[in-house]
Amino acid sequence: AQSVAQPEDQVNVAEGNPLTVKCTYSVSGNPYLFWYVQYPNRGLQFLLKYITGDNLVKGSYGFEAEFNKSQTSFHLKKPSALVSDSALYFCAVRDGAGTALIFGKGTTLSVSS
Amino acid sequence: GAVVSQHPSRVICKSGTSVKIECRSLDFQATTMFWYRQFPKQSLMLMATSNEGSKATYEQGVEKDKFLINHASLTLSTLTVTSAHPEDSSFYICSARAPQRTGTEQYFGPGTRLTVT
Repeated sequence: AQSVAQPEDQVNVAEGNPLTVKCTYSVSGNPYLFWYVQYPNRGLQFLLKYITGDNLVKGSYGFEAEFNKSQTSFHLKKPSALVSDSALYFCAVRDGAGTALIFGKGTTLSVSS
Repeated sequence: GAVVSQHPSRVICKSGTSVKIECRSLDFQATTMFWYRQFPKQSLMLMATSNEGSKATYEQGVEKDKFLINHASLTLSTLTVTSAHPEDSSFYICSARAPQRTGTEQYFGPGTRLTVT
């Protein structure tokens, strides 16, 4: 069975500093990996995905993520955090076309000014 | 990008009544839609997968007689919470899959906040 782990409930970072939100996964086949962001009482907004190709994936709002097959990780990163990045971030995985996304528990990112 | 809408965005109902939530893909045809449930400050839990014209596939532990899903057209799926109870209060989010697109592949609705009193 596929699963996703986000080991941190909360990440705190000062504005302008780099941020990392961690994600590890487990799938039986080739992973399709995603990051989404959710603002209070809103739906999910897509940030980026990894299907195949370059291990470093660039996405929306300056975010990027690095796929590491040996460590089964897909950490979300941003070189310089903004206060407006404060939100709930979800890592998700599926193991093939047509299957539903399985989400991690989410990590709350808090960026202080 | 593709747009998925949900209606209503917020609903309050009394215990024992039924509530219907609509999920629409506005500018694409969705052969598959997914229904998720999210408790406060928790992750999204997949409830069921809905394919147009066929019965929904429910995840283990989800009561199919309580959470009725109908995917009658390529742009509309509905979730009906029957005989709602306070423990059904939650944030319900749908997503739609558009295989003909090469972008994110799944597009999420804005969610419906259900409160059962």
